[in-house]
Amino acid sequence: GQQVMQIPQYQHVQEGEDFTTYCNSSTTLSNIQWYKQRPGGHPVFLIQLVKSGEVKKQKRLTFQFGEAKKNSSLHITATQTTDVGTYFCAGPGGSQGNLIFGKGTKLSVKP
Amino acid sequence: EAQVTQNPRYLITVTGKKLTVTCSQNMNHEYMSWYRQDPGLGLRQIYYSMNVEVTDKGDVPEGYKVSRKEKRNFPLILESPSPNQTSLYFCASSLSQVDEQFFGPGTRLTVL
Repeated sequence: GQQVMQIPQYQHVQEGEDFTTYCNSSTTLSNIQWYKQRPGGHPVFLIQLVKSGEVKKQKRLTFQFGEAKKNSSLHITATQTTDVGTYFCAGPGGSQGNLIFGKGTKLSVKP
Repeated sequence: EAQVTQNPRYLITVTGKKLTVTCSQNMNHEYMSWYRQDPGLGLRQIYYSMNVEVTDKGDVPEGYKVSRKEKRNFPLILESPSPNQTSLYFCASSLSQVDEQFFGPGTRLTVL
């Protein structure tokens, strides 16, 4: 079945360093969503990408959707301790209504 | 305040004792779903509902039931819980499958 793979599983950075997480789908996606889950919290929507090659920015966060719409990335510039959490990508599954999440990248930031 | 609520937030139970986790949203969303989150496995969709009276299996439906009798509520039912259903459960709602998902606060379930 369809898979959404995310790497790396963990990333430890020093505050101020950059961070990137990558998401790859086994099939073409009509769209991709990104979520952030703080420790002890619930996932919170960050952004949705729809167009091939799309790039969107939110302050220090840059999101990209690949030209083939099978991969995506989230890049954080100059990480801060407030960026700590797990970042998930998600895309529509093979069935008409299901949603598949990647396993997430857990980011820790050392002050 | 727009929100998704789940109850209970924490539950410890024993094998075989039927339980229901409630989920309610006040945003008039069509799409609702249930996920379980386990270490190293991310969020896996259990069931989803695209509208009232329409439900369908996600990736890990075994051992679970759901119902969608009204738009705002989407309860998750474990008829005979087993220890492998110990997990953190999230309910979510959205306008549709491709729209922003709003998650509830989570229910931590332990089955002994």
